[in-house]
Amino acid sequence: GDSVTQMEGPVTLSEEAFLTINCTYTATGYPSLFWYVQYPGEGLQLLLKATKADDKGSNKGFEATYRKETTSFHLEKGSVQVSDSAVYFCALSPKPAGGTSYGKLTFGQGTILTVHP
Amino acid sequence: GAGVSQSPSNKVTEKGKDVELRCDPISGHTALYWYRQSLGQGLEFLIYFQGNSAPDKSGLPSDRFSAERTGGSVSTLTIQRTQQEDSAVYLCASSSGTHNEQFFGPGTRLTVL
Repeated sequence: GDSVTQMEGPVTLSEEAFLTINCTYTATGYPSLFWYVQYPGEGLQLLLKATKADDKGSNKGFEATYRKETTSFHLEKGSVQVSDSAVYFCALSPKPAGGTSYGKLTFGQGTILTVHP
Repeated sequence: GAGVSQSPSNKVTEKGKDVELRCDPISGHTALYWYRQSLGQGLEFLIYFQGNSAPDKSGLPSDRFSAERTGGSVSTLTIQRTQQEDSAVYLCASSSGTHNEQFFGPGTRLTVL
C-alpha cells in the first residue's frame, strides 16, 4: 500500500537558518503530493502541493519539488522565522494514470519544528 | 468564504457513553473525510464520502464507529460505548478539486474518562 516517510524530528533551528524536512513516498502511479502545517492548537492547513513530476509547489517562502526518480518531496525554506514553529506533515493522494486524485490522504508521521529567536 | 467547521470543539465523556461529532464541509465540496489524530498513531483515515456513492469505511477501527452524511452536506461521526483508547482529536476535511486538496476543520478533541 501507499506510504509516506518523513525525517525524524523534532527539528530545532535558530531564526534565519535554512530548513529542510525530508519526505519520501511509496505509491503506484503518479500521486499528488502535499505539505500540511499544523500550528499549536489549530487544525491542519494546506501549505503547498505538487501534482506531477518536476512540479515545484511554493507558498510563504516554503518550496518542495516532486522528484519521481527519487520518490521524494522535501520541504525547504531559506530563512525560517519564529512564527514557522509548527508540525509539518507530508501527504499523498493516490492518482491512477490519466485520472484524477481521489480518496484518503496518506500522511507521514509529522515533524515538529521549533525556531528560536 | 467559510471553511470546514466542527462541533463541539471539545468533548469529555465517560467510558461506555455514546458521542456524536458534527462536521459542516465547505459549501459545494462533494467529498468529505474523517480522520483521527492521536499521539501514538499519527493521522489515521476513518471514512470517506464522495457524492452519492457508498462511503469508504475501510478505516473505521471497530463496529462501534459509524458515520452518515445527510443531504450531501453535513456529516455526523458516532462512537458508541466509548473506550479510553478512543481519546483523540477527530478531524474532518472536505475537497472538490481535481487534485484532491483537502481542507481541514479545527477538530474535536475527545477525552474518554
